[in-house]
Amino acid sequence: DVKVTQSSRYLVKRTGEKVFLECVQDMDHENMFWYRQDPGLGLRLIYFSYDVKMKEKGDIPEGYSVSREKKERFSLILESASTNQTSMYLCASSPGGRNQETQYFGPGTRLLVL
Amino acid sequence: AQSVAQPEDQVNVAEGNPLTVKCTYSVSGNPYLFWYVQYPNRGLQFLLKYITGDNLVKGSYGFEAEFNKSQTSFHLKKPSALVSDSALYFCAVRDNTGGFKTIFGAGTRLFVKA
Repeated sequence: DVKVTQSSRYLVKRTGEKVFLECVQDMDHENMFWYRQDPGLGLRLIYFSYDVKMKEKGDIPEGYSVSREKKERFSLILESASTNQTSMYLCASSPGGRNQETQYFGPGTRLLVL
Repeated sequence: AQSVAQPEDQVNVAEGNPLTVKCTYSVSGNPYLFWYVQYPNRGLQFLLKYITGDNLVKGSYGFEAEFNKSQTSFHLKKPSALVSDSALYFCAVRDNTGGFKTIFGAGTRLFVKA
């Protein structure tokens, strides 16, 4: 079974702090994604990566950056956390290059920014 | 531009009755269509997908979905609902032109009453 793990289930941070969310997948997937989930808005794509050191902006990249130094690990960075970044963050991975299909999700990190 | 609509925020059904969760989509090319389910405090789990072929797709836990090209719909169905089916359901779409982005609907919460 594909396993996608996220470093924390719950995080509480203060406004202005730098926040790191880590995601690791164990199935040698090329593609990895970061989403945020908010009630009534579904999932919105923040960033994705289709190869090591490659990244592309999703629909809401402002205030976020990412890092993919190794194939299995994709990190999301909040450079200076703000209260409007309080949300559930979901990491996902999928196999294949441009023919990715099913995405496999981690359990999520619920972030509260005070 | 790709888009997905789930017109119902919530669906209520009695245990043993059939259930339908609706989804309509818009893509520029041929669609890849997905349903995912999220149980409380969990990440998303893949249920089923339509890529090509038979319009009726069968998936996990007894769910199925019917692709209707003329109505641009991909409704999720189950003949007999269980209380354990209560969860948040997301429809998602990607076009087949080689892009990486999958667009998710806002989600429909399903309540199955005993």
